[in-house]
Amino acid sequence: DSGVTQTPKHLITATGQRVTLRCSPRSGDLSVYWYQQSLDQGLQFLIQYYNGEERAKGNILERFSAQQFPDLHSELNLSSLELGDSALYFCASSVWGNNNEKLFFGSGTQLSVL
Amino acid sequence: TQLLEQSPQFLSIQEGENLTVYCNSSSVFSSLQWYRQEPGEGPVLLVTVVTGGEVKKLKRLTFQFGDARKDSSLHITAAQPGDTGLYLCAGASRNMLTFGGGTRLMVKP
Repeated sequence: DSGVTQTPKHLITATGQRVTLRCSPRSGDLSVYWYQQSLDQGLQFLIQYYNGEERAKGNILERFSAQQFPDLHSELNLSSLELGDSALYFCASSVWGNNNEKLFFGSGTQLSVL
Repeated sequence: TQLLEQSPQFLSIQEGENLTVYCNSSSVFSSLQWYRQEPGEGPVLLVTVVTGGEVKKLKRLTFQFGDARKDSSLHITAAQPGDTGLYLCAGASRNMLTFGGGTRLMVKP
């Protein structure tokens, strides 16, 4: 158990809909990362937060947004969903958010857009 | 965009065989991490290499960071079915950790 909790584990929705994925980081970790994993794209970095503030942005679509709350949990919002958004979405956390640090990953949310 | 190329993409071997997985880039990284991911789970860190030319051993796994810090390799000796999984390398630079596409390893008993 990595200590990172992601909910829900599975999500099935339709095109055009909006969903929210939730992540609770490991106790004591200040930084949260979101990754998207699909079969043809590998593990793609979306966005990173540190202590409530956005720290780095990767290949995140404008239809997607995220935030980190004062209690350090984070939410990833995906809107106007398309079939191609179907993927595994992982949250990871680390203590200081430095790129040399070990990342602890959650078990992911499997999103299926039908 | 920094790219990390992993090879091979897929590898199916018999128990007891040796194998090497490669992670290559044209970019220099301050450090490189190796993760293993099993079905239904998130990646789990195996090792971090920081110094060019560094070699780290984890039981039957040997990790090497290239002298120029652009590439890395993972060698598994006498592979076992429990080694089956997706192996991911990730290079750290500036404010980002970039993952390679992964090597999917299957070790058959």
